[in-house]
Amino acid sequence: ETGVTQTPRHLVMGMTNKKSLKCEQHLGHNAMYWYKQSAKKPLELMFVYNFKEQTENNSVPSRFSPECPNSSHLFLHLHTLQPEDSALYLCASSHSGTGNEQYFGPGTRLTVT
Amino acid sequence: QQQVKQSPQSLIVQKGGISIINCAYENTAFDYFPWYQQFPGKGPALLIAIRPDVSEKKEGRFTISFNKSAKQFSLHIMDSQPGDSATYFCAASLILTGGGNKLTFGTGTQLKVEL
Repeated sequence: ETGVTQTPRHLVMGMTNKKSLKCEQHLGHNAMYWYKQSAKKPLELMFVYNFKEQTENNSVPSRFSPECPNSSHLFLHLHTLQPEDSALYLCASSHSGTGNEQYFGPGTRLTVT
Repeated sequence: QQQVKQSPQSLIVQKGGISIINCAYENTAFDYFPWYQQFPGKGPALLIAIRPDVSEKKEGRFTISFNKSAKQFSLHIMDSQPGDSATYFCAASLILTGGGNKLTFGTGTQLKVEL
């Protein structure tokens, strides 16, 4: 595997379910990110981790719970979601520091029913 | 103050023509300005990026023009090809105190290059 991988690619869940999204980066980066991409809206940064420590939470509701066990893996745990949470969830990684390119995975298309 | 405004929302260009997408920002603390290209079903991919101390950067058919005083920057795609048909996002970056950087994205431009 190369680059940034995400699983699953598609997920349908009910409002009472609990599920997790997984991201893995094979680029030797230290920082990892979760973004939400909804139709007609800009990509929204959700969380940033640097060397496993969370450095940014962009006012994300607590029904989204991130976990970063090491610099290569990032999870997004989902519970009690709302239909408006349906979106493409993108993971990215970069080296730390300014001007370092963020490399994105293909995303998980989430549908909440 | 974190907003990045992008225009146009959609653009149709003839093959061989020039595609121009514009962005404007408010926060002068932004220190890095990348452009991303996204095809359907794929994540965004970095296309080209510029720092605010440079007025222009060119990579192949892609050029960024940067106007620091006006707080505007634009992407020019020369000799546009049908394979360039995609959604383009401008972004502006802030370094985070704890590490990593925070990208604020524009709303995207859907480019279609016609034969």
